[in-house]
Amino acid sequence: AQSVTQPDIHITVSEGASLELRCNYSYGATPYLFWYVQSPGQGLQLLLKYFSGDTLVQGIKGFEAEFKRSQSSFNLRKPSVHWSDAAEYFCAVVSGGATNKLIFGTGTLLAVQP
Amino acid sequence: DAGVTQSPTHLIKTRGQQVTLRCSPKSGHDTVSWYQQALGQGPQFIFQYYEEEERQRGNFPDRFSGHQFPNYSSELNVNALLLGDSALYLCASSLVGENYGYTFGSGTRLTVV
Repeated sequence: AQSVTQPDIHITVSEGASLELRCNYSYGATPYLFWYVQSPGQGLQLLLKYFSGDTLVQGIKGFEAEFKRSQSSFNLRKPSVHWSDAAEYFCAVVSGGATNKLIFGTGTLLAVQP
Repeated sequence: DAGVTQSPTHLIKTRGQQVTLRCSPKSGHDTVSWYQQALGQGPQFIFQYYEEEERQRGNFPDRFSGHQFPNYSSELNVNALLLGDSALYLCASSLVGENYGYTFGSGTRLTVV
């Protein structure tokens, strides 16, 4: 069965520092992968998605992610974090089938220190 | 362009009661999916509706049921509420054929006491 693992429950970085959030997936075929961000009390906002092609994907708010098939990973990165990036981040994979439902990881909560 | 609208934003119910949550999809979208997000967890798929029918269901008991109306809006009903049903319920809309273009609402926070 498809699954997504986000090994880091909570990460704290200083403002201006670089960020990498880890995501590992389990999927038999070529996965369709997503990163979403959730601010407190809000729904999910799509940061970026990977379907095929270039393995380095650019998203909104200065985020990027790299798909590495050999490592079954899709890590999210940002070169310089802003205080407004503090939120919870979810990696997800599309399950396939009729509905293409999203399967989410458990999330990584990002705190940003001034 | 209105996004996905969910109502109510918060509600408190007592164990054993029934609750109905509502979702209006983004303009132009015809498919609605519901997710349950327990505290500290990622969202879990409940079910998806298209053309007023349930297309697929996640691992949730029959106490969870839904409906889609001709205008594509949707309701999620939960009967015989349990404490464990306390969660954020998210609605996501999409357009069939563009299955990865999900737009999420801000959710309904349900607390069961």
